[in-house]
Amino acid sequence: GAVVSQHPSRVICKSGTSVKIECRSLDFQATTMFWYRQFPKKSLMLMATSNEGSKATYEQGVEKDKFLINHASLTLSTLTVTSAHPEDSSFYICSASTTGTYEQYFGPGTRLTVT
Amino acid sequence: QKEVEQDPGPLSVPEGAIVSLNCTYSNSAFQYFMWYRQYSRKGPELLMYTYSSGNKEDGRFTAQVDKSSKYISLFIRDSQPSDSATYLCAMMRENQGGKLIFGQGTELSVKP
Repeated sequence: GAVVSQHPSRVICKSGTSVKIECRSLDFQATTMFWYRQFPKKSLMLMATSNEGSKATYEQGVEKDKFLINHASLTLSTLTVTSAHPEDSSFYICSASTTGTYEQYFGPGTRLTVT
Repeated sequence: QKEVEQDPGPLSVPEGAIVSLNCTYSNSAFQYFMWYRQYSRKGPELLMYTYSSGNKEDGRFTAQVDKSSKYISLFIRDSQPSDSATYLCAMMRENQGGKLIFGQGTELSVKP
């Protein structure tokens, strides 16, 4: 099956710094990538949808200036959490899909802890 | 009211039991219905997918969709300790760019 990787798997950063998370589709071209946030024992909340070469579409309530998303190629999307604060600590998961298919392939997630 | 409601559990069953997991939803426009399995600290993996109403079977897993009742189910037969995970239902409308709406997830524990 299709494989999606995320890097790093875990990151701890100090409050006020920025953190970049990478999402890669390893064996297919992802025309669309999705970024989710998941709190403990909670559902996945969609943060934004990005299409290769276009600006990301953010869900209501998600600050686009705080969560910068770039989808520069068909195999790579990045999420940058700018000026991170402890309330940004969470599990961030990306997924990728190809045009015309319903299926999203999920990455293993990145656990962000802001101290 | 949330678009998709799912009992978070936790649900604990003995090995070999039949497990029934359920979700209800409010938006009649949903056409694609999925079940994902998520192990602790991992990303979700797709288990079953159903388009519109009906049943689908894959090994020990059966997915059912009742659009008239806005109710979907996942049945696991002969449950195994390795089935212990969180099960998330997810739904999607047509022409929404693949946007999935997830339920809260049900935490399942299968005891040997």
